[in-house]
Amino acid sequence: GAVVSQHPSWVICKSGTSVKIECRSLDFQATTMFWYRQFPKQSLMLMATSNEGSKATYEQGVEKDKFLINHASLTLSTLTVTSAHPEDSSFYICSASGYRGAYEQYFGPGTRLTVT
Amino acid sequence: SQELEQSPQSLIVQEGKNLTINCTSSKTLYGLYWYKQKYGEGLIFLMMLQKGGEEKSHEKITAKLDEKKQQSSLHITASQPSHAGIYLCGAGPISNFGNEKLTFGTGTRLTIIP
Repeated sequence: GAVVSQHPSWVICKSGTSVKIECRSLDFQATTMFWYRQFPKQSLMLMATSNEGSKATYEQGVEKDKFLINHASLTLSTLTVTSAHPEDSSFYICSASGYRGAYEQYFGPGTRLTVT
Repeated sequence: SQELEQSPQSLIVQEGKNLTINCTSSKTLYGLYWYKQKYGEGLIFLMMLQKGGEEKSHEKITAKLDEKKQQSSLHITASQPSHAGIYLCGAGPISNFGNEKLTFGTGTRLTIIP
């Protein structure tokens, strides 16, 4: 079964509003979580790496003030898209790494964001 | 930065036929991951390779990493409709903790026709 969940699975918001996406590891403690975005028919692009209790590390070109990441616990990381615009519409996927018999990285089902 | 190129970009195969997807890296691969993604969904882990010449199989899917560790292939035997989806290769340094960030290939969209 699913070991990483994301909520919501899809969201439509108006331009200028903020949207929060949650990523939860369901039966293991995730010391590290990754946030990716994927545009239609394109591959995944890493946005940031977050470690529990510390500030996220953003990839070059990703605005940290626009994409706020909080990893407050070992089972939850959140991505907040602030003042969303239509160009932020995308598929956002998180992954969590932790131990479930072996150390692996597990991907969430993704969240589709549409900004109107 | 490491770049991964996948070929072909898309593939249409008749059910029951074999197929191969390639993933080529601009740098030596330390860890090569294969994932499958259904459209609009998350990624399903298939296999991970790290040794030159390594080959792994799961059901009808076989993945290989060449000796130079710069190219990997994914081979599906006797394809089925359930194999349809987007196949992504990902590269990252190998650690014992699974917490390395991955760079993904361009993806291959596989369609199986009856």
